[in-house]
Amino acid sequence: GAVVSQHPSWVICKSGTSVKIECRSLDFQATTMFWYRQFPKQSLMLMATSNEGSKATYEQGVEKDKFLINHASLTLSTLTVTSAHPEDSSFYICSARFSLTTGYFGPGTRLLVL
Amino acid sequence: GQQVMQIPQYQHVQEGEDFTTYCNSSTTLSNIQWYKQRPGGHPVFLIQLVKSGEVKKQKRLTFQFGEAKKNSSLHITATQTTDVGTYFCAGRFQGAQKLVFGQGTRLTINP
Repeated sequence: GAVVSQHPSWVICKSGTSVKIECRSLDFQATTMFWYRQFPKQSLMLMATSNEGSKATYEQGVEKDKFLINHASLTLSTLTVTSAHPEDSSFYICSARFSLTTGYFGPGTRLLVL
Repeated sequence: GQQVMQIPQYQHVQEGEDFTTYCNSSTTLSNIQWYKQRPGGHPVFLIQLVKSGEVKKQKRLTFQFGEAKKNSSLHITATQTTDVGTYFCAGRFQGAQKLVFGQGTRLTINP
C-alpha cells in the first residue's frame, strides 16, 4: 500500500527554538496533505490543509504564523513550529491524500518542548 | 461546526466479550473511516464506508454505516488482547475534503 513517512519521529527542543517536521509521500503524488495534532489521550485535531503550490488553509484557532506550512512539491510538505513553547508539545501527524476519498497517515512526530 | 460524536469514551471488557463503539453526526456524511491506534502508535486505517446501510466485515470486526449516513458503528466479536487500543471514526462531510475525527473509544481488555 501507499506509504507516508515523517521525519523526525521524535524531537526534543528548548523553548523558543523552531522545529521543522517533514511529511513525504513515498510512492505516490499528493496534491493535498493534512496536518493533525494529538494531545495525550485525546483525538486527532486537524490543524491545516496543505495544498501543493498554494497557501495552506488553517483551521480556526490555529496560528498560521506559528505553524508554518510549506508544500513545495507533490511529495513533500513541511510543518515548522516556530518559537516552540512547552504547550506545543504534542504528537504531530500528517496525512497525504491518495485519492478523492482516501488518505494515508504518516507515523507521526512526537515533539517535546522543554 | 461539523462534529462527529463517538461513544463510549472508554470500554473495559473481559477477553472473549464483544465490544461496540458508535459514531454519530448531526449532518450527512459522504463517507466514514475507522482507525485503530495502539498505545504509543499512530492511527492505522481499518476501513472506509461509503454507501447508505453498508456493512463490511473484517474477520471479527463488523462495520456499519447507517441508512441516513449519519451514524456508524464498529463491533468486535470475542475480543482478544491484540484488540487493545483506541478506535477512532472519522467522517467526511459532503463537499469537504477534510476528515473530522470522533473522540475515540479506548478499549482495554482483561485477559
